[in-house]
Amino acid sequence: EVQLVQSGAEVKKPGESLKISCKGSGYSFTSHWIAWVRQMPGKGLEWMGIIYPSDSDTRYSPSFQGQVTISVDKSISTAYLQWTSLKASDTAIYYCARGSAYNYYWGQGTLVTVSS
Amino acid sequence: EIVLTQSPGTLSLSPGERATLSCRASQTVSSSYVAWYQQKPGQAPRLLIYGASSRATGIPDRFSGSGSGTDFTLTISRLEPEDFAVFYCQQYGNSPPTFGQGTNLEIK
Repeated sequence: EVQLVQSGAEVKKPGESLKISCKGSGYSFTSHWIAWVRQMPGKGLEWMGIIYPSDSDTRYSPSFQGQVTISVDKSISTAYLQWTSLKASDTAIYYCARGSAYNYYWGQGTLVTVSS
Repeated sequence: EIVLTQSPGTLSLSPGERATLSCRASQTVSSSYVAWYQQKPGQAPRLLIYGASSRATGIPDRFSGSGSGTDFTLTISRLEPEDFAVFYCQQYGNSPPTFGQGTNLEIK
């Protein structure tokens, strides 16, 4: 069974750093792109970027380029989304999903709350 | 990037009725690379349709997709109580992939 299991909810202060994770199982992790999607409170879905675990080829949406870093550790089948300095506007649910185009498999989401 | 505009914003219907949701793109979507997702509160999105008209695995045949170019439609032939949710279209033919703002399908 294909599964994407994300790390738990985080509460952070503005200016802090954060790295959340997405662990894939039940399939060949290195053979499928992983995407990250943001959903701000009460809002729609926003595509952030993708990474190919086999060679770490990474693509970002222009809206998120320079704002976050997507990485992967293929030895443990885990993809990451990272911030160096969080802002209140980063408060959202972040989903990982398998695929570079449409996404059939999704993680359960990680709620990130940034508040002073 | 391609902007997707979904209409209506909210659709109020009763179980058993037919639902028609629209998604219009700001420019032609390559190869009809449009997907539709359903999202219920507190859940991740669920893929319904890809390639504009292909149903994803396990999706009931009351869900159908159509369209090409800049205009795409998701139709639910006879609404079941579990169908009420927010629906998003997505284009993945042009980089970056983008989503519409969503249509809230609510029980009348």
